Amino acid sequence: NAGVTQTPKFQVLKTGQSMTLQCAQDMNHNSMYWYRQDPGMGLRLIYYSASEGTTDKGEVPNGYNVSRLNKREFSLRLESAAPSQTSVYFCASRPEGLYNYGYTFGSGTRLTVV
Amino acid sequence: GNSVTQMEGPVTLSEEAFLTINCTYTATGYPSLFWYVQYPGEGLQLLLKATKADDKGSNKGFEATYRKETTSFHLEKGSVQVSDSAVYFCALIPTDSWGKLQFGAGTQVVVTP
Repeated sequence: NAGVTQTPKFQVLKTGQSMTLQCAQDMNHNSMYWYRQDPGMGLRLIYYSASEGTTDKGEVPNGYNVSRLNKREFSLRLESAAPSQTSVYFCASRPEGLYNYGYTFGSGTRLTVV
Repeated sequence: GNSVTQMEGPVTLSEEAFLTINCTYTATGYPSLFWYVQYPGEGLQLLLKATKADDKGSNKGFEATYRKETTSFHLEKGSVQVSDSAVYFCALIPTDSWGKLQFGAGTQVVVTP
């Protein structure tokens, strides 16, 4: 099915470990986004990529890095995980120039840092 | 800056009751406004949208009207079902952004039989 695919769905890390969250979309969308969801705070933007080859910081980028590997894939890396990064992470994409149509979201990665 | 404020939950209703979730926003210009829904264990799905003042978005029996004068986008449904139990997020895309969605905190709705 067309959409946004995230892997893994669940992950437990120890403090200081690193990992990469994967995201791929098959809708030929130009823009891709990483959000984190925390109780009572809604979703907050971590990083985004307006097009292949470009990335920019969002509202809460500290402790994260991203790579826009190609048009389809946008990965999020935690170099040294901290308990404050325990959250649910969502990847999303949207078509270029179509501000009115909203986003397509993946099903999320639930990350726990102990 | 831009912001979205939603009523706090959880909102608990009986089946067939009327649902209203209040949403107000702060933004310059004319943002696009959205309601997203998140069912348990799933990602977010677009429920409805409105792109200019006085537009009414509607889907699956839900409605919301873009009120520029009160900077509001309240979500309503006349008769809820158990299957409407979910978390509802109000969101906007400012006119001066790279299409970056900005979300409210979310409102959990629980519908009991």
